[in-house]
Amino acid sequence: SAVISQKPSRDICQRGTSLTIQCQVDSQVTMMFWYRQQPGQSLTLIATANQGSEATYESGFVIDKFPISRPNLTFSTLTVSNMSPEDSSIYLCSGIPGSSYNEQFFGPGTRLTVL
Amino acid sequence: SQQGEEDPQALSIQEGENATMNCSYKTSINNLQWYRQNSGRGLVHLILIRSNEREKHSGRLRVTLDTSKKSSSLLITASRAADTASYFCATDARGGANSKLTFGKGITLSVRP
Repeated sequence: SAVISQKPSRDICQRGTSLTIQCQVDSQVTMMFWYRQQPGQSLTLIATANQGSEATYESGFVIDKFPISRPNLTFSTLTVSNMSPEDSSIYLCSGIPGSSYNEQFFGPGTRLTVL
Repeated sequence: SQQGEEDPQALSIQEGENATMNCSYKTSINNLQWYRQNSGRGLVHLILIRSNEREKHSGRLRVTLDTSKKSSSLLITASRAADTASYFCATDARGGANSKLTFGKGITLSVRP
C-alpha cells in the first residue's frame, strides 16, 4: 500500500484567486492522479499526473484551469486557477505503488470552498 | 459518464446484520475496486478483484464479480456502527500502464447501534 498526504486539508478562498494543493506519497508510485468530488457527488478524474511531462487531462478539464506538476515519483501539485464558487469541491490525489496490482490509494482530500 | 452504478443508493441496517451492496457496469473491465469514504474524507481501499476472479475475501468483506452480468457485489458481514460510510465501486477498463478508475455514484450505508 501507500500512505498519501495532502496539504492543505481545507481552505476557504476568494473568487478569482488560485490555490495549489500538494500531494506527497511515502513511497514511489508509478502513476498519480487527481480527482474532484463535488458536494454529494462521486469522484471525477481530472488528470493523470505524468512524471517529468505534461499531465494527461480528461474531457472537460484543461491545463490552464488545473495546471499539474509532478517533478518526481512521490510528489505532485494541482493548482485550481481563477477560482469560482463552482470550484468548491473536495480534491483528492491518488497513486498506484509499483508493488501494487493496480490498487489505487487515495490521500485524505483537500476541501475547498470558494466564496 | 459513470461506468459503475451501485444499488441501493442508501441502505440502513441494524448492527450485527449483513449489508449487501451491488455494482453494475457497462463495458469490459480489467479489474474492479471497492472503496469506503467516511464523511467526505479520503477514500479507503477495500478490495480489488480482477476480471478473471469470481470471489475475494478480506476479513468481514466478501466481494463477488460476475463478468457475464457485468456486476459485482460487496457483502459486509456482522456489520458494526463503524461501518457507517459511503461505499463506491470503481472500474478499471484496461489496467497496467493505462489504469484509470471510473467511479459509481456510491451507496450510503447506515448501521444503527
